[in-house]
Amino acid sequence: AQTVTQSQPEMSVQEAETVTLSCTYDTSENNYYLFWYKQPPSRQMILVIRQEAYKQQNATENRFSVNFQKAAKSFSLKISDSQLGDTAMYFCAFMNLPPRGMRFGAGTRLTVKP
Amino acid sequence: DAGITQSPRYKITETGRQVTLMCHQTWSHSYMFWYRQDLGHGLRLIYYSAAADITDKGEVPDGYVVSRSKTENFPLTLESATRSQTSVYFCASGVGKLNPSGTQYFGPGTRLTVL
Repeated sequence: AQTVTQSQPEMSVQEAETVTLSCTYDTSENNYYLFWYKQPPSRQMILVIRQEAYKQQNATENRFSVNFQKAAKSFSLKISDSQLGDTAMYFCAFMNLPPRGMRFGAGTRLTVKP
Repeated sequence: DAGITQSPRYKITETGRQVTLMCHQTWSHSYMFWYRQDLGHGLRLIYYSAAADITDKGEVPDGYVVSRSKTENFPLTLESATRSQTSVYFCASGVGKLNPSGTQYFGPGTRLTVL
């Protein structure tokens, strides 16, 4: 069975600085997607970034980028120029293909300090 | 309005009662999913559906029933609610002609309390 591990329950960063959230996963499959979702206090799940396993190039979305190491089964999220609005829970998630639902990590609570 | 909606947003019920949580999406996504979120566990998959009349179990299906007679609706029923089913429930949809990548989009969640 696939597992997703986020080893940092809580992190904090100063506004405008850079922070990296860690995620490792375990799977025997070769075709899958990886995601980072953000959950602010409103509880809404918001997609931050997506990575296709077959793509070697790391995904980027504005201030958010990933470091995808397929052989190491590692998928970290880097947030540059952190903003107060980035304060939230961040979940790493794995989805195989064809879709059978996502497997989530336990989450990392990120606090951006002014 | 386009998107994915859940109702009710909050529900309090008693042990042993039947409860149905509703989920509706307007994107014509093929796949729909139900997750529950508990402290320390992230989100866990309860059931999913690949299309109308096709459903399958996820990681934690016991005590839940689903149906999908129409593509846009995916209700989740707790046949006899237990305190351990107190949780926040999220519905999600994904995969369709306009979303071939499979990214899942989530509803706002339903907070269910079983007394």
